[in-house]
Amino acid sequence: QKEVEQNSGPLSVPEGAIASLNCTYSDRGSQSFFWYRQYSGKSPELIMSIYSNGDKEDGRFTAQLNKASQYVSLLIRDSQPSDSATYLCAVRPGNNRLAFGKGNQVVVIP
Amino acid sequence: GAVVSQHPSRVICKSGTSVKIECRSLDFQATTMFWYRQFPKKSLMLMATSNEGSKATYEQGVEKDKFLINHASLTLSTLTVTSAHPEDSSFYICSAREAGPETQYFGPGTRLLVL
Repeated sequence: QKEVEQNSGPLSVPEGAIASLNCTYSDRGSQSFFWYRQYSGKSPELIMSIYSNGDKEDGRFTAQLNKASQYVSLLIRDSQPSDSATYLCAVRPGNNRLAFGKGNQVVVIP
Repeated sequence: GAVVSQHPSRVICKSGTSVKIECRSLDFQATTMFWYRQFPKKSLMLMATSNEGSKATYEQGVEKDKFLINHASLTLSTLTVTSAHPEDSSFYICSAREAGPETQYFGPGTRLLVL
């Protein structure tokens, strides 16, 4: 089982809609969870971090964490064309380094 | 927010030469720095983890003698690609982890092309 799984294929959403991204992780002892956005040809940019169960909102982004289900998600409200990017879920398990999912590509259609 | 810089942003070199990439945390002290490489349309691949003042820990399959990492201070780490070959051409990205919240921030990356 992979440490971090992002299974959905490319996600196309119309402008103004909600984009929903999901991520599961295998290490039940993980304590830190992050979402990064990566534009094509650029390095990842941190957009959200979450450490406790529940929702965390920052602008149009909401991260949701459920440690019992080992599940973390990201919602993007009022999606804009500038949100078109690859979104990486990252989890810090018991060791020193972040484990990344493969990423989900989001395409916002004007 | 925390800023990580990388220099150079882009480098073209001849096969057989060595290339040094610098990574700096500009407004925080990084307890740990990480070096990744990424091929087009592929996932990030962790190459090594470095802590200030100690030897880097390399991931399996990464040659430590080819990818030399020096972490001289809490704000600077360098990656030297020695005797570069065309297959080393890639996007190299450093990342620095801030103490306390342990949030990890990425540099803008260095695109290396070996001819």
